[in-house]
Amino acid sequence: LAKTTQPISMDSYEGQEVNITCSHNNIATNDYITWYQQFPSQGPRFIIQGYKTKVTNEVASLFIPADRKSSTLSLPRVSLSDTAVYYCLVNDYKLSFGAGTTVTVRA
Amino acid sequence: GAGVSQSPSNKVTEKGKDVELRCDPISGHTALYWYRQSLGQGLEFLIYFQGNSAPDKSGLPSDRFSAERTGGSVSTLTIQRTQQEDSAVYLCASSLGGQGTQETQYFGPGTRLLVL
Repeated sequence: LAKTTQPISMDSYEGQEVNITCSHNNIATNDYITWYQQFPSQGPRFIIQGYKTKVTNEVASLFIPADRKSSTLSLPRVSLSDTAVYYCLVNDYKLSFGAGTTVTVRA
Repeated sequence: GAGVSQSPSNKVTEKGKDVELRCDPISGHTALYWYRQSLGQGLEFLIYFQGNSAPDKSGLPSDRFSAERTGGSVSTLTIQRTQQEDSAVYLCASSLGGQGTQETQYFGPGTRLLVL
């Protein structure tokens, strides 16, 4: 079963770049890596997904090294509204999310 | 368009009572998932439905928990003889199809269950 490990929390300031690394040593060949964002009292929301190398959308970038045993979510120029919990998901038969990283953005 | 909806949004019950939680997935989505999120915890998988296949019930914590999906659409999660440790937010998600992370899961707002 693929397990993920993320930092528990990260602090940042408005306008800075935030990078969150997720470890997934047992990722399978066909697995994708997906990141979700969750605000208090809301369900998780899809941010970005990738298989290898780099993926970028209007919200974030996802960097995946060649061995795919880790991935880094990059949030450029964060604002206060980016304060949330971020989850890394790698295919797991039980489809369970990792513990999540609480990102706090301060003014 | 309509997203995933769940009802009730909040439920307070007494220990030992049965509760039913409802999920309406996005129309056309064949996959439906139930998760549980306890205070300050990550998401815990409970059960997964995919089309007409037998559901994956491997995440259900005990035989007090069961779920049905009728007509490939609406799903009901039932907790019998509720215990205080069942207090949590129960989240439902749906995806267009297939198991695994290739399919983006769309989550509902959750049902907050409090067992007194």
